[in-house]
Amino acid sequence: QSVLTQPPSASGTPGQRVTIACSGSSSNIGSNTVNWYQQLPGTAPKLLIYSNNQRPSGVPDRFSGSKSGTSASLAISGLQSEDEADYYCAAWDDSLNGWVFGGGTKLTVL
Amino acid sequence: EVQLVESGGGLVKPGGSLRLSCAASGFTFSSYSMNWVRQTPGKGLEWVSSISSSSSYIYHADSVKGRFTISRDNAKNSLYLQMNSLRAEDTAVYFCARESLDVRGGGKYYFDYWGQGTLVTVSS
Repeated sequence: QSVLTQPPSASGTPGQRVTIACSGSSSNIGSNTVNWYQQLPGTAPKLLIYSNNQRPSGVPDRFSGSKSGTSASLAISGLQSEDEADYYCAAWDDSLNGWVFGGGTKLTVL
Repeated sequence: EVQLVESGGGLVKPGGSLRLSCAASGFTFSSYSMNWVRQTPGKGLEWVSSISSSSSYIYHADSVKGRFTISRDNAKNSLYLQMNSLRAEDTAVYFCARESLDVRGGGKYYFDYWGQGTLVTVSS
């Protein structure tokens, strides 16, 4: 049972826009920023979005993040086959004094 | 180029011990906090431990507290995880990850580089 809640799966067709939600509480998302990681099959996680809505160099602007209250979301527009991966949200938790992750969302491009 | 290379994983019996290492290169290791994150086969990510740049601040997840110890040697550009009293549920791929600070300020942190991971299997 992960501290942050994500849907286990999401899907879309090429070119479509999909969003992945991440729900937390006042001790994590409510008081700290959210980061998103992409994990392609068989590889290590890769930073996708940091500080709620910032893209690292090299991440396409098709990826965007937002946060409101104790929830956050990742949006992927112009879906491409190479976007098929697992996506994880994460935030620092002030009560646990540690990082917490969502359970991950497996994105399928139909 | 930033590189993080984990080693030390393997098969160990329940109750046994293992020490993981993470060799860092391509950046000033002593300036960054570092973390261990694990992933159970086929499942999600779980943060394990954090250590600040000078080892002043150390945090462990409740699931490993009292059994695992994170440490670092800045002179050797290396991060370690000493794992004792291992249990079957500790079986996972263990990643080391660098923790960076958003340059815009405000105390916002994130993991910007990850190693490829090392597999730890706890089984009799």
